[in-house]
Amino acid sequence: QITLKESGPTLVKPTQTLTLTCTFSGFSLSTTGVGVGWIRQPPGKALEWLALIHWDDDKRYRPSLKGRLTITKDTSKNQVVLRVTNVGPVDTGTYYCAHRRIIAGAGYFEYWGQGTLVTVSS
Amino acid sequence: DIQLTQSPSFLSASVGDRVTITCRASQVISSYLAWYQQKPGKAPNLLIYAASTLQSGVPSRFSGSGSGTEFTLTISSLQPEDFATYYCQQLNSYPFTFGPGTKVDIK
Repeated sequence: QITLKESGPTLVKPTQTLTLTCTFSGFSLSTTGVGVGWIRQPPGKALEWLALIHWDDDKRYRPSLKGRLTITKDTSKNQVVLRVTNVGPVDTGTYYCAHRRIIAGAGYFEYWGQGTLVTVSS
Repeated sequence: DIQLTQSPSFLSASVGDRVTITCRASQVISSYLAWYQQKPGKAPNLLIYAASTLQSGVPSRFSGSGSGTEFTLTISSLQPEDFATYYCQQLNSYPFTFGPGTKVDIK
């Protein structure tokens, strides 16, 4: 059974760095074809893909945020960490991590964590 | 970036209705499209992948079709638990993008 759970601060001050951890079970990030991604959702708005890390440590970022995002993995701990630097109010929202598997030639986000709400405010 | 538009953005329907949601891509994305259902306060749930393949465990009243730039999600007979917001997502190229969502409400 695949599960993922996000953890991190609920409140962050503007200009600080937000660090979120995704702890997962039921799969290994060293398995070919597997990835973990981060997606966020501002309150009342649509989903926004942020970053993705693959089993081979290939990393992809949303270009508009690329300079502020860093994604890393710790395979031994079954964790993926996302760092967002210099946060502002627009970074407020629910952050999800999700398991990605290659199916039919593309990778789809099959399993999602419950999400964690982050508020950026002074 | 590939832009996705969804229509309608909101629809009001009754239990038992047939519902169709359209997703259009700004560029050809082959069949690399997914549909998700999201209920308030919950994570998205994958319904359809590869444009038309039903995810395991998803009721057969959900179906997807299309390729290239135009895609549809159909619910053949709307059930009470289907009232939610539906998103499409393209996985043809980075950055992966989502549509703005379609909220399905009770009439």
